[in-house]
Amino acid sequence: NAGVTQTPKFQVLKTGQSMTLQCAQDMNHNSMYWYRQDPGMGLRLIYYSASEGTTDKGEVPNGYNVSRLNKREFSLRLESAAPSQTSVYFCAITKGPTGLRLYNGYTFGSGTRLTVV
Amino acid sequence: GQQVMQIPQYQHVQEGEDFTTYCNSSTTLSNIQWYKQRPGGHPVFLIQLVKSGEVKKQKRLTFQFGEAKKNSSLHITATQTTDVGTYFCAGPSGTYKYIFGTGTRLKVLA
Repeated sequence: NAGVTQTPKFQVLKTGQSMTLQCAQDMNHNSMYWYRQDPGMGLRLIYYSASEGTTDKGEVPNGYNVSRLNKREFSLRLESAAPSQTSVYFCAITKGPTGLRLYNGYTFGSGTRLTVV
Repeated sequence: GQQVMQIPQYQHVQEGEDFTTYCNSSTTLSNIQWYKQRPGGHPVFLIQLVKSGEVKKQKRLTFQFGEAKKNSSLHITATQTTDVGTYFCAGPSGTYKYIFGTGTRLKVLA
């Protein structure tokens, strides 16, 4: 997906293992987000970073940590994976605040499909 | 808390039939966005509506924002197999976040 690169694309973890999902963007956007998508649950926000140097919790932050490494990169860490964290994880970016009256849709990465056994 | 609901959850149509999905928010929205996600893919931004009563068209897709800015709809005329996927609406939840609806999964039968 042009603009937002996520790695890895697929991952299988054992319960208790840790891992970091990486997200990098080349669109010079300010805000970055991590969502998870489960069947029938839509997209739920885990953490977001409104701008470089800031991070905030979303709807479902428990069990996750994030780092906004610089303007381009936003990583999501699972310290001790649990089967309930089996999901598809999407990184997304936007230009800035939701009140912007111009094109400000999310650009999503292609996702990381994570299975915890 | 703020909720954004979509109906129906699933819709199967014959190719050539029309399709509509509805989005309802528990709060007034400053704007609303629509996304399409193909099976196995990622959500792709379609459009943003800002004004009360706004109607926008993209080829066979018609988007409406309600007068009270609490609901929206997406209508597809004469569906094609390429329309298959899940359609999400999303409304602002605070300064930097959007809350997504539960989505409507569309299946088009050839």
